[in-house]
Amino acid sequence: GEDVEQSLFLSVREGDSSVINCTYTDSSSTYLYWYKQEPGAGLQLLTYIFSNMDMKQDQRLTVLLNKKDKHLSLRIADTQTGDSAIYFCAESPTSGNTPLVFGKGTRLSVIA
Amino acid sequence: DSGVTQTPKHLITATGQRVTLRCSPRSGDLSVYWYQQSLDQGLQFLIQYYNGEERAKGNILERFSAQQFPDLHSELNLSSLELGDSALYFCASSPQTEQETQYFGPGTRLLVL
Repeated sequence: GEDVEQSLFLSVREGDSSVINCTYTDSSSTYLYWYKQEPGAGLQLLTYIFSNMDMKQDQRLTVLLNKKDKHLSLRIADTQTGDSAIYFCAESPTSGNTPLVFGKGTRLSVIA
Repeated sequence: DSGVTQTPKHLITATGQRVTLRCSPRSGDLSVYWYQQSLDQGLQFLIQYYNGEERAKGNILERFSAQQFPDLHSELNLSSLELGDSALYFCASSPQTEQETQYFGPGTRLLVL
């Protein structure tokens, strides 16, 4: 079955880059997503990547996809205290409006 | 603001009771998904509706049910509540396109005492 794995915690200093990693099992996944959840809030879609892409850049965010290793990463450049949150990786196992499978989330703590 | 609204924001109730959570999808979105977020289980998919019909079922208990109405809003009914049902319940919606971005509501925090 589908499974998405993430490390649970990451701590970085303000101004450094953060790299959050994720592995997934379903090789037929068409889209992979990163969501951000701030304390007491809902999930905010940060970015997504289509499975035929290797990289996607969006301002301070860079998503890298290694389809062979089923590895997805999110790099946040110049990490700020406002980036402190839980980051969820999610995969969409097949195309066409299907439920997402989420990892357990990585809690990013940014130290000033 | 994702455009998905959920009510109520918070709900406190007792074991054995029944509650109804409501979700209004983004304008034009036909699909509605319900997820449960608990500390030990993470984010679990419960059920999906598309244009009024059940489309997919996940880890939804028999005590739980949902429906999507003609105006596309959805309700999740939780009955015979147990302490372990305390969680954040999220609704998400997406349009009918190949690109499946799901937009999440702010969630309903349910506490069963």
